[in-house]
Amino acid sequence: DGGITQSPKYLFRKEGQNVTLSCEQNLNHDAMYWYRQDPGQGLRLIYYSQIVNDFQKGDIAEGYSVSREKKESFPLTVTSAQKNPTAFYLCASSDTGTGNQPQHFGDGTRLSIL
Amino acid sequence: QKEVEQNSGPLSVPEGAIASLNCTYSDRGSQSFFWYRQYSGKSPELIMFIYSNGDKEDGRFTAQLNKASQYVSLLIRDSQPSDSATYLCAVKALPISSGSARQLTFGSGTQLTVLP
Repeated sequence: DGGITQSPKYLFRKEGQNVTLSCEQNLNHDAMYWYRQDPGQGLRLIYYSQIVNDFQKGDIAEGYSVSREKKESFPLTVTSAQKNPTAFYLCASSDTGTGNQPQHFGDGTRLSIL
Repeated sequence: QKEVEQNSGPLSVPEGAIASLNCTYSDRGSQSFFWYRQYSGKSPELIMFIYSNGDKEDGRFTAQLNKASQYVSLLIRDSQPSDSATYLCAVKALPISSGSARQLTFGSGTQLTVLP
């Protein structure tokens, strides 16, 4: 079945540690996105990529990094510079084209500080 | 001023009633509008999208768009307890320039509870 797979489902980070969240899609979508959701709040865009080997900062990119070496994969690294990383992280993908295509989400990764 | 605003709720309706969820947006250049449902602890799932003024119906769900007044709403008819969730409104504006892309802006969501 086509979909977006995020792993791990739960992740714990020690202080000073970098951690990487995985996102893989087999929907053949060109665009991929990373969002952060804090309790009781909407989604905030961290990074997005419209095409392989290219990505753009979103609204809250500080303390995060990404890569897009393959169309199917868009991993997110939460660096030690992100001082408040505890949140629900969501990866999404969509077609491009007219710009009206909806985004579809993976199941998310919950990140907590040890 | 937030770009996309929703009443946080909670909104409670009895089973079988119509639930009305509202969303206003500030960017007049907004082009497409999406409603997502998010169950507690889960990721958002797309319910409906609408691009043109007026109503769009899909089963028990109706999306309504009024660009002049800059609001979009979601009606849920014959509400069921399984509809209890947070509903997120998301808005996409027109590209700033050729070749660029605008991204979705999400509201903070309205929590809906359908009482049996």
